[in-house]
Amino acid sequence: DGGITQSPKYLFRKEGQNVTLSCEQNLNHDAMYWYRQDPGQGLRLIYYSQIVNDFQKGDIAEGYSVSREKKESFPLTVTSAQKNPTAFYLCASSHPLAEAFFGQGTRLTVV
Amino acid sequence: RKEVEQDPGPFNVPEGATVAFNCTYSNSASQSFFWYRQDCRKEPKLLMSVYSSGNEDGRFTAQLNRASQYISLLIRDSKLSDSATYLCVVSYPGGGADGLTFGKGTHLIIQP
Repeated sequence: DGGITQSPKYLFRKEGQNVTLSCEQNLNHDAMYWYRQDPGQGLRLIYYSQIVNDFQKGDIAEGYSVSREKKESFPLTVTSAQKNPTAFYLCASSHPLAEAFFGQGTRLTVV
Repeated sequence: RKEVEQDPGPFNVPEGATVAFNCTYSNSASQSFFWYRQDCRKEPKLLMSVYSSGNEDGRFTAQLNRASQYISLLIRDSKLSDSATYLCVVSYPGGGADGLTFGKGTHLIIQP
């Protein structure tokens, strides 16, 4: 079955530690996105990529980094520079002007 | 960035009632429109695409008004399971960050 997979579902990070969230899709979508969602809030765009080896900052890119070495994969690293990383992270992919498909999300908690 | 605006609610509606909410968008060049549903602590899922002629899927009807730049969602005979947050999504030509713009969502609570 085609789809988009995020892992892990839950992740705990210690202060000062970098962590990487995985996002893989087999839908042959060119565009991929990372969003952050805080409790009771809407989606905020972190990074997006329209094509392999290219990505752009979204509204809240500070403290995050991404790579797009393969069409299928768009991992997000939450660096120690992100001072308040506890949130629900959602990855999505789409064709241009078409609906987006989401992974199940990663819930990151700082301990 | 282009804006997509929604009334956050919550809309408290008795079971069996009809409820409608709108979403306004600022870019007149936008081409694709969608409604998503998001349950608590889950990912958003596509509810329906919105076409120029309007479209219906069971109890759900979506309308697009390009002149006034809004889309609407009507839910008839509401069920308890309809309780969720409904996200309006607008897609603009040219892609990029504006290629997919989400509203903050409207929270709907169906009461028994």
